[in-house]
Amino acid sequence: QVQLVQSGAEVKKPGASVKLSCKASGYNFTSYYMHWVRQAPGQGLEWMGIINPSAGTRISAQKFQGRVTMTRDTSTSTVYMELSSLRSEDTAVYYCARDPSRWSYQDYWGQGTLVTVSS
Amino acid sequence: EIVLTQSPGTLSLSPGERATLSCRASQSFSSGYLAWYQQKPGQAPRLLIYGASSRATDIPDRFSGSGSGTDFTLTISRLEPEDFAVYYCQHYGSSPYTFGQGTKLEIK
Repeated sequence: QVQLVQSGAEVKKPGASVKLSCKASGYNFTSYYMHWVRQAPGQGLEWMGIINPSAGTRISAQKFQGRVTMTRDTSTSTVYMELSSLRSEDTAVYYCARDPSRWSYQDYWGQGTLVTVSS
Repeated sequence: EIVLTQSPGTLSLSPGERATLSCRASQSFSSGYLAWYQQKPGQAPRLLIYGASSRATDIPDRFSGSGSGTDFTLTISRLEPEDFAVYYCQHYGSSPYTFGQGTKLEIK
């Protein structure tokens, strides 16, 4: 069965960076793109970007350009999302989510990683 | 950027009733690239509908999606207790893949 297992909660200070992981299993990792979506406490969903695990190409939302880096390791079927220059507004649960049709919706989601940015 | 506006913000209904949730886009987009998700507290979102009207795997047929252009609707024909949650629409197919702000479906 498809599983996306994300790394554990993080606490960071403003200005720091955080790197989250999302390990995929149960399907051909390089055949499905992966999205990153975040959700601030009590707020809605915010799309951050998408990566093609086969080619490594990615697109991020303009809001995060320059601060977000998405990478992948095909040997471990893991995608990573690094967010730099953290501020308090980046406190959120970050989800990875599989894309079944390339540049489309998200059918399987990770359990989420809580990132808390606080001095 | 396509902005999605969901209405109502909160919908109060009783089990057994019919729920109609709306999602309006700021501009028309092609091929009905619209998805609906359900999210319960403390859980990740769950895909319900894609392509505006296609049900995802294992989604009960009481959930249906419709619409095109700029106006889309999620209908739950007969509410079950487990359906009370927050629902989000999402545009896809071109970046950024924006979400609506959500509709909270609560028990009356």
